Amino acid sequence: EAGVAQSPRYKIIEKRQSVAFWCNPISGHATLYWYQQILGQGPKLLIQFQNNGVVDDSQLPKDRFSAERLKGVDSTLKIQPAKLEDSAVYLCASSFRQGFLTDTQYFGPGTRLTVL
Amino acid sequence: TQLLEQSPQFLSIQEGENLTVYCNSSSVFSSLQWYRQEPGEGPVLLVTVVTGGEVKKLKRLTFQFGDARKDSSLHITAAQTGDTGLYLCAGAYGGATNKLIFGTGTLLAVQP
Repeated sequence: EAGVAQSPRYKIIEKRQSVAFWCNPISGHATLYWYQQILGQGPKLLIQFQNNGVVDDSQLPKDRFSAERLKGVDSTLKIQPAKLEDSAVYLCASSFRQGFLTDTQYFGPGTRLTVL
Repeated sequence: TQLLEQSPQFLSIQEGENLTVYCNSSSVFSSLQWYRQEPGEGPVLLVTVVTGGEVKKLKRLTFQFGDARKDSSLHITAAQTGDTGLYLCAGAYGGATNKLIFGTGTLLAVQP
């Protein structure tokens, strides 16, 4: 079974530029998550989708970050404009079903963003 | 705000030694998961514990969930170089939404 795919793997941009990340979850997984992992810290949830609807985006900096999941499959996360503090690894994860306490989240390899 | 503090933050040991990583919170979680993350990869789930006081063993790894479901520990016996990585605990909350809050992480280096 193919895992969660993410692209690009690495991105270097100047501050105030825009950037977009793409995620393709495991086939059949209804729930998709975007996390931000700053170096040396644990991942922090940015946004959670159930199919193509947003379940939780309480920690998404909505003045500069946006995300969408068209047709309930692939998802994109955009930052516009980027700030230095956005330098981090952006992880996408998917799970089969929502609302089951022990449902497993499967993570992609992440996109490492460096903002100069 | 729910927080999960892990200790130690860094650990460097020799192959064959034993170690314990702790994950503590003042909040109660419905379940707790442990992940290992290697450089350039996403976290990979090792185990999920659900019941207070539960102990699970995975080969040389032993996981325990505190009685009050606020803390957990990971014990590795006879560490191997392949155990090197970032260990993350994650508490599940939010009922029907299956949200996770991750701990601060423990970076383990096992020297040959």
